[in-house]
Amino acid sequence: NAGVMQNPRHLVRRRGQEARLRCSPMKGHSHVYWYRQLPEEGLKFMVYLQKENIIDESGMPKERFSAEFPKEGPSILRIQQVVRGDSAAYFCASSPLTGTDTQYFGPGTRLTVL
Amino acid sequence: SQELEQSPQSLIVQEGKNLTINCTSSKTLYGLYWYKQKYGEGLIFLMMLQKGGEEKSHEKITAKLDEKKQQSSLHITASQPSHAGIYLCGALPAGGATNKLIFGTGTLLAVQP
Repeated sequence: NAGVMQNPRHLVRRRGQEARLRCSPMKGHSHVYWYRQLPEEGLKFMVYLQKENIIDESGMPKERFSAEFPKEGPSILRIQQVVRGDSAAYFCASSPLTGTDTQYFGPGTRLTVL
Repeated sequence: SQELEQSPQSLIVQEGKNLTINCTSSKTLYGLYWYKQKYGEGLIFLMMLQKGGEEKSHEKITAKLDEKKQQSSLHITASQPSHAGIYLCGALPAGGATNKLIFGTGTLLAVQP
């Protein structure tokens, strides 16, 4: 049973470009979470999605950031018009159910904005 | 808002020594998770605690949650170089109304051979 997959593992963008980060949850998991780890800071929640629904986006910046989890295919975290402050490690996690179900993390995508 | 504080921030131990990492919450915890992160990699799930006074062990790692559910400790017995990494505690906020994990600042562990 493959774990949570994320791609790309490393992504370099110039200021103003778009970044698309992909996450495929573990088999049988229908809940996806995105977290961001800024340099010298802890891991912070961004958004929680189920298939075709955003459940909690309280941690998402109001502008330039969006997330989706379509019926078919991976979850996508999209960052438009990237700025240097967006440089961070972005982690995706998945769980089979909600509540106290353990969230299993992917290896992360390290975004560098030049 | 709920905050998690971990101590110590970093720790260097000789191989074979025991060590303890603490995680303290400002509010009652609904669920407490321990993860390990190797530099530049993702988080590996270690253990989850939910009941006050609960204790779980896996190989040489033991995690405990106090009766008040506001403090957890992670104890490693006879440390090995493979235990090196960043240990993170994560918690579901009290009330259990949300699935977003709040994380501590992490404890960096180095084990000297």
